[in-house]
Amino acid sequence: ELKVEQNPLFLSMQEGKNYTIYCNYSTTSDRLYWYRQDPGKSLESLFVLLSNGAVKQEGRLMASLDTKARLSTLHITAAVHDLSATYFCAVDFSRGSSNTGKLIFGQGTTLQVKP
Amino acid sequence: DAGVIQSPRHEVTEMGQEVTLRCKPISGHNSLFWYRQTMMRGLELLIYFNNNVPIDDSGMPEDRFSAKMPNASFSTLKIQPSEPRDSAVYFCASSLVPGSNQPQHFGDGTRLSIL
Repeated sequence: ELKVEQNPLFLSMQEGKNYTIYCNYSTTSDRLYWYRQDPGKSLESLFVLLSNGAVKQEGRLMASLDTKARLSTLHITAAVHDLSATYFCAVDFSRGSSNTGKLIFGQGTTLQVKP
Repeated sequence: DAGVIQSPRHEVTEMGQEVTLRCKPISGHNSLFWYRQTMMRGLELLIYFNNNVPIDDSGMPEDRFSAKMPNASFSTLKIQPSEPRDSAVYFCASSLVPGSNQPQHFGDGTRLSIL
């Protein structure tokens, strides 16, 4: 079964602190995506990770991919209130001739940053 | 450039009524995805199209749900008859050709309430 699991599902943290969100997936893939969703809003693409060891950074967020461990991390550095949102990872398990672009999403991690 | 456009943004109707949700993908995108988001089940892929052709509808919950894509710039998701358990936010997303590794771009969603 194709599965994507995130942890934690809920994270409450103080401003200025660091933390990491984990995304594990069930079988081989080298295409993983991170999205952000604000309450009542759409999903916004944050990062696209396409190879083992890929690392992308934008502001206080850094995402990495370890395809051998089937693990991606989203690291938050010195959190600020504006980062409060729900973060989703999504994995494209299709490859080769069956490449469909179909994504399986994790459950989402709701991040609450307190002043 | 205009993003993915969905209509209506909100829909409230009584059970048994037909509901039609509409989506205009980003121009030039060849893949279109319909998702449903609820608190209980998270983000679920219902159906997706490549080049206007339905590829995988295994996520469509019941025969009451149907989707069409008559041309590259328009898709509909129809529920007939609607039931209270269909209440959810329905998102449409589009992306470039499969395998382009580009992220899916999401519309603002339709918040559906079935009374």
